[in-house]
Amino acid sequence: DTGVSQNPRHKITKRGQNVTFRCDPISEHNRLYWYRQTLGQGPEFLTYFQNEAQLEKSRLLSDRFSAERPKGSFSTLEIQRTEQGDSAMYLCASSSGTGNTEAFFGQGTRLTVV
Amino acid sequence: AQRVTQPEKLLSVFKGAPVELKCNYSYSGSPELFWYVQYSRQRLQLLLRHISRESIKGFTADLNKGETSFHLKKPFAQEEDSAMYYCALSTSLSGGYNKLIFGAGTRLAVHP
Repeated sequence: DTGVSQNPRHKITKRGQNVTFRCDPISEHNRLYWYRQTLGQGPEFLTYFQNEAQLEKSRLLSDRFSAERPKGSFSTLEIQRTEQGDSAMYLCASSSGTGNTEAFFGQGTRLTVV
Repeated sequence: AQRVTQPEKLLSVFKGAPVELKCNYSYSGSPELFWYVQYSRQRLQLLLRHISRESIKGFTADLNKGETSFHLKKPFAQEEDSAMYYCALSTSLSGGYNKLIFGAGTRLAVHP
């Protein structure tokens, strides 16, 4: 499968623990996005990378959240001191070029905080 | 405010019936709109975009700026159309790039 890959697919963690998710975009895609999806809602934008630069962060992204894309390839999303409200599906998407090109989504990481 | 509204959480039809999934948006600029689909156990994928004005899997969608709508239509539903459908609005980020604002989604169930 040469699409966007996310790991792990599922994560169960205790409240207060830190978690890290990984996203491998489609190779040569320079744009990378993180979204969060809660039950009954559509995906909500969290942050955007152009190559290794993080160019936009949503107000949804509290100080406990941090994302990196160190070499402009894969990206990680870390949540510190997890709370039950962090339980959601975390989606990664990538796209290429400029303008409104198609965003390709990964299958997501489902986080459950107990 | 930038917003996408999909008023129906569930749309249930019989095979062969026409389908219309409603989408309304709020955006002060010139909108670019998309429909994404998620089949069971699969990832979210693009179905169609308004600028291409094409028909995909028999689905079409017309942008109506006067009514701020982008409804998805298909004249004869098939069982394999059963899925979750999301309407999305593309908005500009810094540097001229874009993010998607999604509606809450409509589940289409097509019964035999």
